[in-house]
Amino acid sequence: GQSLEQPSEVTAVEGAIVQINCTYQTSGFYGLSWYQQHDGGAPTFLSYNALDGLEETGRFSSFLSRSDSYGYLLLQELQMKDSASYFCAGDDNYGQNFVFGPGTRLSVLP
Amino acid sequence: DTAVSQTPKYLVTQMGNDKSIKCEQNLGHDTMYWYKQDSKKFLKIMFSYNNKELIINETVPNRFSPKSPDKAHLNLHINSLELGDSAVYFCASSQDQGGQQETQYFGPGTRLLVL
Repeated sequence: GQSLEQPSEVTAVEGAIVQINCTYQTSGFYGLSWYQQHDGGAPTFLSYNALDGLEETGRFSSFLSRSDSYGYLLLQELQMKDSASYFCAGDDNYGQNFVFGPGTRLSVLP
Repeated sequence: DTAVSQTPKYLVTQMGNDKSIKCEQNLGHDTMYWYKQDSKKFLKIMFSYNNKELIINETVPNRFSPKSPDKAHLNLHINSLELGDSAVYFCASSQDQGGQQETQYFGPGTRLLVL
């Protein structure tokens, strides 16, 4: 089976940089995705890494290291609206199963 | 235009009842999914379905059954509802690109409360 681990909570202040880590155990892994979910809302796609390295999308970047079974989401210039839960997600068995991590709740303080 | 829509948004019902949640996507995607998110916000896939294959998470009770009248719809039927079924149920869809992970687009969720 597949499992992903993330910290349960992270707190930071506006304007800061925060990194949310994700480690995984899986076989037949295509890549790592990140989703954002605000309270009461639906998960929305943020980023996807199929290859090792850094992918940048505006204030958000995501990193993957397959050799370390590790990835992270980097959020820069934090804003209050970034307060949400962030989920890493990955494949198992080449797309037969899709699993979300437990989620990291990010609180951005003024 | 709403890409993935679900009805109803809220569902309150008694234990033992049978209920359905409807999902429609207008993205032209090939694959649709149902997820359950519990009170601790764990998001677990229940089913994934395209016109070729239904993949069932083995932990899902057989009281839950997906029904797809066509490619744009995947409804979720739940028989004999139990208290533990209370959760938020999300429908999602993705394009079947084969050989890579696909971005999933989620509906707004259906909040089910079983009394």
